[in-house]
Amino acid sequence: AQRVTQPEKLLSVFKGAPVELKCNYSYSGSPELFWYVQYSRQRLQLLLRHISRESIKGFTADLNKGETSFHLKKPFAQEEDSAMYYCALRPYTGTASKLTFGTGTRLQVTL
Amino acid sequence: ETGVTQSPTHLIKTRGQQVTLRCSSQSGHNTVSWYQQALGQGPQFIFQYYREEENGRGNFPPRFSGLQFPNYSSELNVNALELDDSALYLCASSFQGGDSPLHFGNGTRLTVT
Repeated sequence: AQRVTQPEKLLSVFKGAPVELKCNYSYSGSPELFWYVQYSRQRLQLLLRHISRESIKGFTADLNKGETSFHLKKPFAQEEDSAMYYCALRPYTGTASKLTFGTGTRLQVTL
Repeated sequence: ETGVTQSPTHLIKTRGQQVTLRCSSQSGHNTVSWYQQALGQGPQFIFQYYREEENGRGNFPPRFSGLQFPNYSSELNVNALELDDSALYLCASSFQGGDSPLHFGNGTRLTVT
């Protein structure tokens, strides 16, 4: 069985400070990892996925198989980054839509 | 491009009743999945439909069932409602095959009293 852990319910940072949202996973096979974001009054949407290896809105995430982690990072937080962030895992084989989500971390960026 | 739409937005039912939630997938998408999100939790996978058949299911009892129609829209049916079924139900559509990401709807908030 797979599991995704996001240890922080709330992360509060000042504008311009670095951000790191933690995500750890457990899965015996080869996983695909994602970060989803939900801004206030908007739907859940994909932020980035590890296979893309790209930076979206200044955010990056590196899959560390040794530490089974996929932490989301941004060097300088902006007010518009305030949102709910969910880490999710999907096995490479199996049901394409079956994501296992963590419980989410609310990021609050203050002035 | 039309996004994923769900109806109704809110619903209140009594324990033991049955409920049907509806979802229209994003244009060009042929796969629909449903998720349950309880308060303070992440979404939990219920099942996926492709070519009008269920082809993947999470850890939910048989009283959770669904349908997918030829136009790729979908329904989620829950029988014998329990208080713990109170949650936000999310529909997501995607294109089976390739690296298509999930596109979520805004959800239906179900309250069971």
